[in-house]
Formats: sequence, C-alpha cells, structure tokens
Amino acid sequence: GAGVSQSPSNKVTEKGKDVELRCDPISGHTALYWYRQSLGQGLEFLIYFQGNSAPDKSGLPSDRFSAERTGGSVSTLTIQRTQQEDSAVYLCASSPGGAVRDEQFFGPGTRLTVL
Amino acid sequence: GDSVTQMEGPVTLSEEAFLTINCTYTATGYPSLFWYVQYPGEGLQLLLKATKADDKGSNKGFEATYRKETTSFHLEKGSVQVSDSAVYFCALNGNDYKLSFGAGTTVTVRA
Repeated sequence: GAGVSQSPSNKVTEKGKDVELRCDPISGHTALYWYRQSLGQGLEFLIYFQGNSAPDKSGLPSDRFSAERTGGSVSTLTIQRTQQEDSAVYLCASSPGGAVRDEQFFGPGTRLTVL
Repeated sequence: GDSVTQMEGPVTLSEEAFLTINCTYTATGYPSLFWYVQYPGEGLQLLLKATKADDKGSNKGFEATYRKETTSFHLEKGSVQVSDSAVYFCALNGNDYKLSFGAGTTVTVRA
C-alpha cells in the first residue's frame, strides 16, 4: 500500500518568506509526527497529533512554526518569516495508534533551503 | 530527559566484514528501542526493534539485543554487503510517543 508522502520534496525560499510543507499519512493511521533533521541538531521531534486530541507542540523551536491536521488525515507544517537556521530536512511520520511500541513510518522528507 | 548516544563514524568496511555500531541510552522506565536505517536518497526505515529487556531484534542479517544492565542496544551484522551502505540511527521511545534519536552513523561498504 501507499506509504507516507510529503510535498514538495525540495523547497528553496528567501529569508523572511513563509513556507508550507505537506504530509499525507498512511491511510488509517491515527498518529502523525513531524521531525526535523539538520546538520547541527540531528533528528529532533517537532509536533505530534493523535486523533482528535490537542496536539503536542512541545518540540516546535519558535512561534514561527505551526502545524495543523485537517480531518484527522493530511497535515501542514507552516514556517513563517523563515530564517537560515530553518534549513533542514523536515520528516513526517505516522503510526497506527500512537502507542510507545508502535513503529513510526517515515515519509521521504522535504528538504528546505533558506537563502 | 531521554537521550541516545551512538558511535558517530564514519565507518568504512570491506564486503563480508563484521559490523558493530554501539548505542547506549538514558531513559526513565522501560523504553522501546529501535534501529532505523536511511539508504542514500531514501527516507528512514525501521530496521529492527526490541520492546523489553533481553529481547533481540533481527532483520536482514542485523541483530541487536536490549541490555538493560548496560543500557545498550548495539547493532551487529556478521557479513556486510555493499547494499548495507547507509546511515544507521539508534532511537528510543520512552514513556511517551516521541522518538529520541542518536546522531547517526554513516556506514560505507567497499566491494
């Protein structure tokens, strides 16, 4: 079946612009996660959605970052007023139910470059 | 908080050599432990996992044993192939759903 998909695969933007990154999780998965992979910080958790519960936003690095999940499926990560330090690969993952022992299935990522 | 420390590499090996990548962790309670692999140009894939002490995860010839007494989850493969060239990440999931990752180890296998 189809895996997690993300778009765009690459995004180049100018400092100060806003960007939107999209994630389509595996059908039927109730849990959705965003992570960031950068040279200096490795892989970091950003935000977690589980069903209709309020998201855990504890990993978002600043208030320029926000995310939403519509209809319990597609998610959009928005970065406002991008900075050069936002350059990274943004990874989305989903899992069947969000349990600690569940495998998280990752998408291919969106490579963001802020000039 | 939860953390993972792994050998950073890079590691370069010849085909059929033995591979080991060390991973140790710090966590409260009883975390689940994972090894993820990222092949060139591809996304992260789960390689193997173990959810309780003394469990052994295995897949594609790779093995790792959950050692609570040494808080370790070392990855091993007895005979590597060129196709095993990738970046390997050790990760844990503690009392919540967030994965905490190690820094990743780049492995290159030469023919």
